[in-house]
Formats: sequence, structure tokens, C-alpha cells
Amino acid sequence: DAKTTQPTSMDCAEGRAANLPCNHSTISGNEYVYWYRQIHSQGPQYIIHGLKNNETNEMASLIITEDRKSSTLILPHATLRDTAVYYCIVRVLGSGNTGKLIFGQGTTLQVKP
Amino acid sequence: DTAVSQTPKYLVTQMGNDKSIKCEQNLGHDTMYWYKQDSKKFLKIMFSYNNKELIINETVPNRFSPKSPDKAHLNLHINSLELGDSAVYFCASSQVGGRQFFGPGTRLTVL
Repeated sequence: DAKTTQPTSMDCAEGRAANLPCNHSTISGNEYVYWYRQIHSQGPQYIIHGLKNNETNEMASLIITEDRKSSTLILPHATLRDTAVYYCIVRVLGSGNTGKLIFGQGTTLQVKP
Repeated sequence: DTAVSQTPKYLVTQMGNDKSIKCEQNLGHDTMYWYKQDSKKFLKIMFSYNNKELIINETVPNRFSPKSPDKAHLNLHINSLELGDSAVYFCASSQVGGRQFFGPGTRLTVL
């Protein structure tokens, strides 16, 4: 699985959009970009994933650059409850995939009032 | 309804003891995992089972033995506990290749 690079920490004002970047310059053509987050001491929580098109769900939007070497997770209106460690992970999807997630250090997002 | 549950939530024990952590999922998933999060907060895969068959074993000491009695359960048994085993252990489940759902974690403290 390819490696990802994320900033160690970021701050965001409550109610504003939080934009979390991730670099994955060695991503392979069949690898998806996944985002998970871990709110203090809880189990990691799936947020969103994508291959090359931008994706949006009820939690967030995922913007993947055309060359797929980087992506941005967007929380459109951050709340205090979004304070967490956010992990960007690349992995192969589907059969033949062992399924393991390789977590890096992630980005600690602090949402401030 | 809890999707992935773990028991116990906290486990404090002495070095040298043997202990087990239980995990159950009610999502009908085929694959279950154990992850370890150490004091530096790094999350690392330990084991994965698919349909009760071991498919990932990430060079974990053989004191750790996962057991899957059925698709809905993946228990972790640890023999001869050491100080370095202190960590939070997370169970997860997924359909093959799908997104993973994590349990609330078990905080193990070895004294």
C-alpha cells in the first residue's frame, strides 16, 4: 500500500470549513483514498473514500487532484464535535485485498469556538 | 444497536497473566480484524480473519492467539502478558474489501 503524508495538526474555527490535505504521490492506479477519523479514545470512524472523482456524503467531501497524487477532505461546517485525528489511507479495494488499513500519524484537527 | 462490541472495556492485570478480549459484530460481515494502538497513538493491524480463516498475521508474538468460533466473533487471547502489551486494542469488521467498522476499544494495562 502506498504511503501518505499529512500535516501533524490544524486548527479550524467553529462553523467554518475545515480543509485537510493529504499527499499520496506514489498511489497506484487501483488504490482508493480513504479517510477515517478517531475522536478521543474512541474507535476509528469511516468518513469517505474515492478513486478519482470527487465524492460527497453527509459527513464530508473528498477532492482528489487529477493526477491523484493528493487529496483534500473538506468538512463544510466544522463543529466542536469534529475535533479528532483524521487519517488519510490508500488501499486496494475489492477481492484479493487483505483489507488491512495502514494508519499513519494523521492530522489532529482542533475546532475552536 | 451496537455494530461492533468488545468486552471488557478496561482490563488491568499483572505481568505473566493470561487474558482474553472478546469481539462480536452484528453486521453480517465476513472479515474481522484486531488492531493495536500503543501509547504513541499509532494504530497497527495485528490480525485479520475472513470466514473464520486467518488471512493477516502481522508478525505479532505468538503469545497472541486470535480465535474465531464463528463469523460474528473474533476473540484475542494473550498469554504471559508483558508490560509492553499495555495498549488499546480495537476490533473491526467489514465485508471483503469494504469499509471497516471499529469497536469502542479495550484498554489493557499490564502492571
